[in-house]
Amino acid sequence: QSVLTQPPSASGTPGQRVTISCSGSSSNIGSNTVNWYQQLPGTAPKLLIYSNNQRPSGVPDRFSGSKSGTSASLAISGLQSEDEADYYCAAWDDSLNGRWVFGGGTKLTVL
Amino acid sequence: QVQLQESGPGLVKPSQTLSLTCTVSGGSISSGGYYWSWIRQHPGKGLEWIGYIYYSGSTYYNPSLKSRVTISVDTSKNQFSLKLSSVTAADTAVYYCARGISSSWYKVLDYWGQGTLVTVSS
Repeated sequence: QSVLTQPPSASGTPGQRVTISCSGSSSNIGSNTVNWYQQLPGTAPKLLIYSNNQRPSGVPDRFSGSKSGTSASLAISGLQSEDEADYYCAAWDDSLNGRWVFGGGTKLTVL
Repeated sequence: QVQLQESGPGLVKPSQTLSLTCTVSGGSISSGGYYWSWIRQHPGKGLEWIGYIYYSGSTYYNPSLKSRVTISVDTSKNQFSLKLSSVTAADTAVYYCARGISSSWYKVLDYWGQGTLVTVSS
C-alpha cells in the first residue's frame, strides 16, 4: 500500500489534455515539494517534474505540475501516443525520521 | 551528464545477502550537494525507497528495511553499494540506484540507473 494515492489508470485520445492526481498528507505533500516520474515499459523512471512545477531540461512543456495543500496534479496536454506510460508522484515524508514515499503509479493509456 | 549503472548477481538464494554496486560516471560522487540512493520496484508494483548515503559516509535508511540494509561508498572508484541481508522471495525486485538533491527549496531524485532485476530463489 503506497503512502501517496494515485488513480490506477487514466486514458485520453491524441491531442486531449489529461490530469493525474496524487494525494498525500501533511507530513509529505503538505510540507515538501512533489516530483513526477514517467516510466516507459521496461525502463527506469525518468524525472518529468520536480519542485511541484519545474521541468528538467528536455521535458516538453506539454507536461505541467501543480500542488495545493496535500494534493498534487500532473497535467499532460496535446496527448501523444508516446506518452503511454506509468506515472509516479514522489515526495519526501517527514514522519518516521524521514523517507522518500511514492504513489502507486497511474497507467496512462492513449486510445 | 551523470550516468548511473547497477551491477551484481541477478539470482540470490533465500537467507543470503543481496549485494549490488552502482557506478557513477559523468560526475564525482565526492562532490557535495548530492546524496546517493537505492530504490526498488517489485514486479508490476510501485517504487520503494531503500536508503541513501552521502559521500562522507553518512547513511539514512527506510525504517521498514533498516535492520537488514547497509549502504556504503567507495569514492576512489566512484561507486556506492547496497547490501540487503536475510533475503526472501519478497525481496525479488528491480533495484535502481539514483542521485538525490536536497536543497532548501526542494528534494528530488533526478538521475536513475537503468535498474537490475534481482530474483531470490533457491
